[in-house]
Amino acid sequence: QKEVEQNSGPLSVPEGAIASLNCTYSDRGSQSFFWYRQYSGKSPELIMFIYSNGDKEDGRFTAQLNKASQYVSLLIRDSQPSDSATYLCAAIKSGGYQKVTFGTGTKLQVIP
Amino acid sequence: GAVVSQHPSWVICKSGTSVKIECRSLDFQATTMFWYRQFPKQSLMLMATSNEGSKATYEQGVEKDKFLINHASLTLSTLTVTSAHPEDSSFYICSARPRPVNEKLFFGSGTQLSVL
Repeated sequence: QKEVEQNSGPLSVPEGAIASLNCTYSDRGSQSFFWYRQYSGKSPELIMFIYSNGDKEDGRFTAQLNKASQYVSLLIRDSQPSDSATYLCAAIKSGGYQKVTFGTGTKLQVIP
Repeated sequence: GAVVSQHPSWVICKSGTSVKIECRSLDFQATTMFWYRQFPKQSLMLMATSNEGSKATYEQGVEKDKFLINHASLTLSTLTVTSAHPEDSSFYICSARPRPVNEKLFFGSGTQLSVL
């Protein structure tokens, strides 16, 4: 079982719709979670981070964390073609050797 | 946000040569720097973790004698791919964690290595 799992997609949504990206993790010791956006041939860019159960909103982005279900999601409202990219979910354990584990990413396509 | 500079962004070299990639944190001190490799359409694969002033910790399956990492200061880490071969062709990305310690990671722009 992979430590961080994502559906590889592609996930296609029409412009203006809500895109919902999901991620599950296996290690209950994971404390903090990150969503990165990566355009083809480019480095990942931090979008959101969350470490408390519940929702965290930043502009058009909402991260959701449910530690009991070991589930993290990213919602993108009013999706734009420029949001088309691969979204990487990452988890980190706090303390000691803080290794970051990445999922394989979900490719999002926003259709104009 | 914090800026991590990585260069060169593109390298083409002959098989058997060595290539050095630099990663600098420009506006913060980095307690830890990470080196990743990413093959096309695959996720980031952690190669090694380096802390300033100490030896790097390599992930299983990564040859430390082939991928030399030097973290000489709190703002600079280098990765040297020694005796590169075509199978080493990949996208190499560094990331840095700011000091004082927090959990955010900031990425360099990546280096595309092509070994002929």
